[in-house]
Amino acid sequence: GENVEQHPSTLSVQEGDSAVIKCTYSDSASNYFPWYKQELGKRPQLIIDIRSNVGEKKDQRIAVTLNKTAKHFSLHITETQPEDSAVYFCAAKFGNEKLTFGTGTRLTIIP
Amino acid sequence: GAVVSQHPSWVICKSGTSVKIECRSLDFQATTMFWYRQFPKQSLMLMATSNEGSKATYEQGVEKDKFLINHASLTLSTLTVTSAHPEDSSFYICSARDGGQGSGPQHFGDGTRLSIL
Repeated sequence: GENVEQHPSTLSVQEGDSAVIKCTYSDSASNYFPWYKQELGKRPQLIIDIRSNVGEKKDQRIAVTLNKTAKHFSLHITETQPEDSAVYFCAAKFGNEKLTFGTGTRLTIIP
Repeated sequence: GAVVSQHPSWVICKSGTSVKIECRSLDFQATTMFWYRQFPKQSLMLMATSNEGSKATYEQGVEKDKFLINHASLTLSTLTVTSAHPEDSSFYICSARDGGQGSGPQHFGDGTRLSIL
């Protein structure tokens, strides 16, 4: 089955700086890669996703890049703000199969 | 956007009690729903995949007689934790996939925090 690794597990950045979280996956057939943001005690919220037919996708301060050859994808947050502090999870899946989640990254934005 | 409603949000009960959690898709039909368990500071662990009108598919290590899943309609799936014990205390989250979007994104409920005394 699919295995997703996520790094780092914790990340602290100064407000205004950029944050990068990286994930690798094992199943080359995986074709859908979402990123979720989860605040304490709340539901995971989809913030951006990418499919395997594109290499990069951007939505305002958030971007995701995908390298199919290396089987890794990354989340980039620019101009970070205190409200970006949360736990971020990457995930991967193929077609209608189940999502496999990474282990999460606790991002802290230092004012 | 797609909304998934999960109830109750918080349950505290005595050991031995059975607890039912509901997951509803409010504005779309969900042929597939997923049940996750999340321990503090850990990732989401998939427990089972619930398909409307058929038996749920449980992940390895998850007791199907302990965690009963029913997906009787295209908008409702229920998880019943039977004879709950303190070790079952956790955050349970459901998610649903829009049946009309095929391999589209999953939308999560608000979760249920279960505390067994």
